[in-house]
Amino acid sequence: EAQVTQNPRYLITVTGKKLTVTCSQNMNHEYMSWYRQDPGLGLRQIYYSMNVEVTDKGDVPEGYKVSRKEKRNFPLILESPSPNQTSLYFCASSLPRLAGGTSNEQFFGPGTRLTVL
Amino acid sequence: AQSVSQHNHHVILSEAASLELGCNYSYGGTVNLFWYVQYPGQHLQLLLKYFSGDPLVKGIKGFEAEFIKSKFSFNLRKPSVQWSDTAEYFCAVHNAGNMLTFGGGTRLMVKP
Repeated sequence: EAQVTQNPRYLITVTGKKLTVTCSQNMNHEYMSWYRQDPGLGLRQIYYSMNVEVTDKGDVPEGYKVSRKEKRNFPLILESPSPNQTSLYFCASSLPRLAGGTSNEQFFGPGTRLTVL
Repeated sequence: AQSVSQHNHHVILSEAASLELGCNYSYGGTVNLFWYVQYPGQHLQLLLKYFSGDPLVKGIKGFEAEFIKSKFSFNLRKPSVQWSDTAEYFCAVHNAGNMLTFGGGTRLMVKP
């Protein structure tokens, strides 16, 4: 089954304790991205990756790191989490833009609810 | 910077009522437009998308949206909502760069 998986689904941690949220897709998609969802703010893009070893900042990258060493995986790293990073996080993947600039649909993972105390 | 506005944050309708959710964006160039739906406790799923051509696009579950370039709008419509349409709806815009920008979302509650 084509899917995007995230782990863990729920995490409660304390300020300053490094954590990693994994994201994996089995659709051979080049493009992957991370979003955080907060009430009233919709989804805001944290980082995205056009392909292996190519990553770029989104709208709200501060406090986050990513890596893309393999095509299927795109982990999100919080080196020193803070309470303002309490949120619902979604990973997504898609094929790259078509010639002519047409976007492709993004496929979303199930979400990771993170609480930082 | 590109922005996407969804002016209705919460909408409550009775079953069989008609629905229209507003979406306006700020980017002036070529855009690709999406509506995603998030059912309670689930991840986002694509409802419909507009890339080019006919500005009236039809999606799944009876939803449609109209792209009006002069108004920078992409409003979502459904003639008759059902209880199962209760969800949060997100408009998203993909510009010539590689950023996908989402609106703040509209929570729809349909009363049986």
